[in-house]
Amino acid sequence: QSALTQPPSVSGSPGQSVAISCTGTSSDVGSYNRVSWYQQPPGTAPKLMIHEVSNRPSGVPDRFSGSKSGNTASLTITGLQAEDESDYYCSSYTSSDTWVFGGGTKLTVL
Amino acid sequence: QVQLVESGGGVVQPGTSLRLSCVASGFTFSHYGFHWVRQAPGRGLEWVAIIRPDESNKYYEDSVKGRFTISRDNSKNTLYLQMNSLRTEDTAVYYCARDGPNWNLDYWGQGTLVTVTS
Repeated sequence: QSALTQPPSVSGSPGQSVAISCTGTSSDVGSYNRVSWYQQPPGTAPKLMIHEVSNRPSGVPDRFSGSKSGNTASLTITGLQAEDESDYYCSSYTSSDTWVFGGGTKLTVL
Repeated sequence: QVQLVESGGGVVQPGTSLRLSCVASGFTFSHYGFHWVRQAPGRGLEWVAIIRPDESNKYYEDSVKGRFTISRDNSKNTLYLQMNSLRTEDTAVYYCARDGPNWNLDYWGQGTLVTVTS
């Protein structure tokens, strides 16, 4: 059960857009539309931001969007705001009936 | 509102055991599956285990198989994680999370810290 691969860090200025990639395998991301994204500010519990690749739970701003192509999923944040600065994790259901997380990406708003 | 509250963490020696609890409120506990997820200090999230609503199926991350057991008591709205043969690498904040209806972890507790040290 290898972790999904995310870039360690990304950055952008307020108002800009950033994308965070999440690469898995044909046993997880590539086989299921069961990819979700979580936001975790320092010292707090994770919060669900995207589920089933591209669906936003109620209350999540539409600046957050998700997509997937092959074994790679992506989280895109448009119109960056200072409050978006956080750690972001992707997760996927796997063919072993387990879940796997990515290593996490630290988003810095410059 | 949905609430998950973990407890049971602490400082223990390698080779010993600990049981974590997670009390749920604000929804019908017996209708949902639950996960345990951990986060070592300064590290990323690591999925640990899942239990289905009727306890029919339980799955574990490879490094905890045979050492950790996930269970639930629907009469007490409580999820458990029995951790045996603890290792220093099990040191982490342990979160319980609800298995949402859309293949996600939709609500999380605040976590409980387990420190394994000699």
